[in-house]
Amino acid sequence: KQEVTQIPAALSVPEGENLVLNCSFTDSAIYNLQWFRQDPGKGLTSLLLIQSSQREQTSGRLNASLDKSSGRSTLYIAASQPGDSATYLCAVPGGGADGLTFGKGTHLIIQP
Amino acid sequence: NAGVTQTPKFQVLKTGQSMTLQCAQDMNHEYMSWYRQDPGMGLRLIHYSVGAGITDQGEVPNGYNVSRSTTEDFPLRLLSAAPSQTSVYFCASSPDRIPYEQYFGPGTRLTVT
Repeated sequence: KQEVTQIPAALSVPEGENLVLNCSFTDSAIYNLQWFRQDPGKGLTSLLLIQSSQREQTSGRLNASLDKSSGRSTLYIAASQPGDSATYLCAVPGGGADGLTFGKGTHLIIQP
Repeated sequence: NAGVTQTPKFQVLKTGQSMTLQCAQDMNHEYMSWYRQDPGMGLRLIHYSVGAGITDQGEVPNGYNVSRSTTEDFPLRLLSAAPSQTSVYFCASSPDRIPYEQYFGPGTRLTVT
């Protein structure tokens, strides 16, 4: 059964820092990996989708990498801003029955 | 495009009551699914549909029913609500079955007393 772990569970840093969020998965036979952002009381917003054949995807200040063989992905946020404060979730196909398996998320606070 | 919409945003039920959570998408997506999000548990798949008339169970289907009569709508029914169903429910859609990119609705926060 696929399991997804995100480290750290929570992170608080001053504005302007570059930071890395980690995601690991147990079954490396994945098609892709998706990173989401969730604001308090809101839904999930898709940030980046990395296909299994790719090693990186970039969107603005966000860069996600994928290493299938080691079962890891990282989300790099450059020059963090208070508006980046949210919970970040990673998910991979393989939740059984055609679903996604999610990590429990990293709760990020960027201090002004 | 409105994307994926869900109604209601909030709901309080008494144990034993029934209700339907609505989900609609205007992107002509074939695949739709329902997840519940609980503290410390992450998101878990309840039911999914790969097209109109086709539904199947996910990881935690007990206590929930679904149907898919149109491409646009995928309602989730609670037949007899229980306190264990207190959760935040999210509907998602994608152009085709996993592993396409998933688009999520804003969620319905349900409390069962």
